[in-house]
Amino acid sequence: SQQGEEDPQALSIQEGENATMNCSYKTSINNLQWYRQNSGRGLVHLILIRSNEREKHSGRLRVTLDTSKKSSSLLITASRAADTASYFCATPRMDSSYKLIFGSGTRLLVRP
Amino acid sequence: GAGVSQSPRYKVAKRGQDVALRCDPISGHVSLFWYQQALGQGPEFLTYFQNEAQLDKSGLPSDRFFAERPEGSVSTLKIQRTQQEDSAVYLCASSPVPGLAEDTQYFGPGTRLTVL
Repeated sequence: SQQGEEDPQALSIQEGENATMNCSYKTSINNLQWYRQNSGRGLVHLILIRSNEREKHSGRLRVTLDTSKKSSSLLITASRAADTASYFCATPRMDSSYKLIFGSGTRLLVRP
Repeated sequence: GAGVSQSPRYKVAKRGQDVALRCDPISGHVSLFWYQQALGQGPEFLTYFQNEAQLDKSGLPSDRFFAERPEGSVSTLKIQRTQQEDSAVYLCASSPVPGLAEDTQYFGPGTRLTVL
């Protein structure tokens, strides 16, 4: 079963604009991770935010976490056509932490 | 260095055939995972190996699914008597240490299985 639900399911923006994707989850977490999946390629780990962190940055990526609302957001600034991909949030289960539970993903299209 | 590789990249099988999907993890990685990803969905956990030991197979959908990692490196996911609902992308991932919540899992490109 899916732990996280991403919103929106699909997003289309112009190159240079910012893209924001949201993830909601159901149970307590140790951390939340964001992955990117390009067409025909495997998943690539982007960033991990711990449950005691509220915000984290990595290059053009900014992730926030609100454990009271059980939600996270991923912001990609100054988007590029190469950012076109599906983005997934994932959380490890508390009782078996190796087991990542993925959301259903947001499909991002960045138009040149 | 080389990442996780999987073969074949694409597999078409007739319903009822057996298939074997191979995963070559990053050299030295202790943990190996298999996931199943249906079209338009996120990956779902199938099974977890620590070296050659299969520590968790709770995600395998049925007894037609079998995974092994006999020497603690290469792994094979076997599906017997394939059915149409087995059509999906099968992803393999590895990580360098025994599965911990903050380990980064490195994913392969996946094998897209289509059962006709």
